[in-house]
Amino acid sequence: QKEVEQDPGPLSVPEGAIVSLNCTYSNSAFQYFMWYRQYSRKGPELLMYTYSSGNKEDGRFTAQVDKSSKYISLFIRDSQPSDSATYLCAATSSNTGKLIFGQGTTLQVKP
Amino acid sequence: KAGVTQTPRYLIKTRGQQVTLSCSPISGHRSVSWYQQTPGQGLQFLFEYFSETQRNKGNFPGRFSGRQFSNSRSEMNVSTLELGDSALYLCASSLPLGEQFFGPGTRLTVL
Repeated sequence: QKEVEQDPGPLSVPEGAIVSLNCTYSNSAFQYFMWYRQYSRKGPELLMYTYSSGNKEDGRFTAQVDKSSKYISLFIRDSQPSDSATYLCAATSSNTGKLIFGQGTTLQVKP
Repeated sequence: KAGVTQTPRYLIKTRGQQVTLSCSPISGHRSVSWYQQTPGQGLQFLFEYFSETQRNKGNFPGRFSGRQFSNSRSEMNVSTLELGDSALYLCASSLPLGEQFFGPGTRLTVL
């Protein structure tokens, strides 16, 4: 079993839809959680960085962490075609360089 | 502020050769981590360097090695290349603790 599980999709939604992306994890020691966006043939871009449980909002993006159920979510409001990319969740047990990534979810937002 | 830079961006090598990849972190960042990304395995942690010392290491064979210089620039080396080493190699930099920012990656093809 992978430490971080993520449905690879693909997920296809119409422009303007609310997108929900999810990950589960198995390591109770994970404390820091991240969401990255990766366009084709590019490096991952950090979208959200959260510590422990709770919500964090940044523009159209909201990250949620529920440590009791080991569940990580990213919501995208008013999705745009430019949001079409692969979204990667990641976690780490301490604030060091060893991130554990999910497989990534491919999102397509259709105009 | 300039981002993480990686050179070269593309490499083609043959089996048995060795390769050296370079990473320049964001100015002021002292921690550099390396990851391998493949379609089958996703993003996997290779190693992390901080202040010229390897702080963490992933589950890769000894053919994969790295180092960090006093200016925080880092190199990774893969010796005796195998076909399975074909991948996107990503470098990420961070302050001693905190968010990791990725470079564009080096795409290595082993023939």
